[in-house]
Amino acid sequence: GAGVSQSPSNKVTEKGKDVELRCDPISGHTALYWYRQRLGQGLEFLIYFQGNSAPDKSGLPSDRFSAERTGESVSTLTIQRTQQEDSAVYLCASSSSGGSGNTIYFGEGSWLTVV
Amino acid sequence: AQRVTQPEKLLSVFKGAPVELKCNYSYSGSPELFWYVQYSRQRLQLLLRHISRESIKGFTADLNKGETSFHLKKPFAQEEDSAMYYCALSRYGNKLVFGAGTILRVKS
Repeated sequence: GAGVSQSPSNKVTEKGKDVELRCDPISGHTALYWYRQRLGQGLEFLIYFQGNSAPDKSGLPSDRFSAERTGESVSTLTIQRTQQEDSAVYLCASSSSGGSGNTIYFGEGSWLTVV
Repeated sequence: AQRVTQPEKLLSVFKGAPVELKCNYSYSGSPELFWYVQYSRQRLQLLLRHISRESIKGFTADLNKGETSFHLKKPFAQEEDSAMYYCALSRYGNKLVFGAGTILRVKS
């Protein structure tokens, strides 16, 4: 596709419910990232996938958060038993390789509101 | 640990005035520094990176290792520069660490 695509663009869920957020990276991009942005705060790294390597999960805030990626394509971020503090914009990004010289392209984000 | 600090949440300047968005970092190795920008209703995008030593839309940024800074500068601000600006740091492996961001408002 033309860019990184995320769905849903907006999600309102009740506290305690599970949510799934989807990311379609740019075709051919081997690296994929998830970030979170809470209102008024900076971007918080969550998880990083690079090819077939084990993902870097060091940013996941709790075991309620998990992410998967199928090959070098779609990724799903799952939040179980959502809490109000999970309300944020969840941004996905991709790049053509894991090398630091490659530009990272962001999606428009999934706005999650937990009520 | 890697950390990026942007001390100003909001910077408001008049059109034609010089702009400096501050960024300080902490990192023990040789970092790569970036500036990302998000215009209203658009997605976050790369503005410039220090290794390219380029000027984009009139903006430049110089890496000062002694002061651990990577301030973004433009001599004459334009209204279309109004946006959210993020400074980011990376080491090999591409995990970007972002600052909290600075909103730039250019007034006419």
